[in-house]
Amino acid sequence: DAGITQSPRHKVTETGTPVTLRCHQTENHRYMYWYRQDPGHGLRLIHYSYGVKDTDKGEVSDGYSVSRSKTEDFLLTLESATSSQTSVYFCAGTRDTQGYGYTFGSGTRLTVV
Amino acid sequence: AQSVTQPDIHITVSEGASLELRCNYSYGATPYLFWYVQSPGQGLQLLLKYFSGDTLVQGIKGFEAEFKRSQSSFNLRKPSVHWSDAAEYFCAVGPTGTASKLTFGTGTRLQVTL
Repeated sequence: DAGITQSPRHKVTETGTPVTLRCHQTENHRYMYWYRQDPGHGLRLIHYSYGVKDTDKGEVSDGYSVSRSKTEDFLLTLESATSSQTSVYFCAGTRDTQGYGYTFGSGTRLTVV
Repeated sequence: AQSVTQPDIHITVSEGASLELRCNYSYGATPYLFWYVQSPGQGLQLLLKYFSGDTLVQGIKGFEAEFKRSQSSFNLRKPSVHWSDAAEYFCAVGPTGTASKLTFGTGTRLQVTL
């Protein structure tokens, strides 16, 4: 089993609809992160979590919310999808903050039409 | 605020040639530094990391990187590139402390010609 699984892998949605992306991990990562990847921008942090029910904003959090009700699952919700949110979304996790390094999921390609 | 600059958007090298990918960072103290590789359609895989100590670090797949404090650089090197090394490479910087949020560079795409 992959350590971090993202679902769905691909999604097309209409402008104005809510969308939830799921990240499931089996490696007991305490810290989890959502990034978006766009050409010319690299990866930008959307939200992160440092424990169950403990979350905080990253640099591009507008229009996004997250929830973490248990260690294994970290959900990203686009409250009302816009075309500017078309992107590839990556979930990542790490067990500690001592430079352990992230483990990444395979990504979700989201297209908002 | 921490930041990372990868000045080369795209690099092409011949198979068997040496490779150096540049990374410059901005951070007030000694940061944690990382190199990740991304193959098409995949997530990012950790190549190597630097915390402290020996400034030359070895990673997977024959890669190494050298931390140079005076130049605020953490360049990635490989003595002989293989066609399978074609991918996108990301440098990242992170502080010590809570949550260890990483800041990524914009990436360098490596093309390998046969």
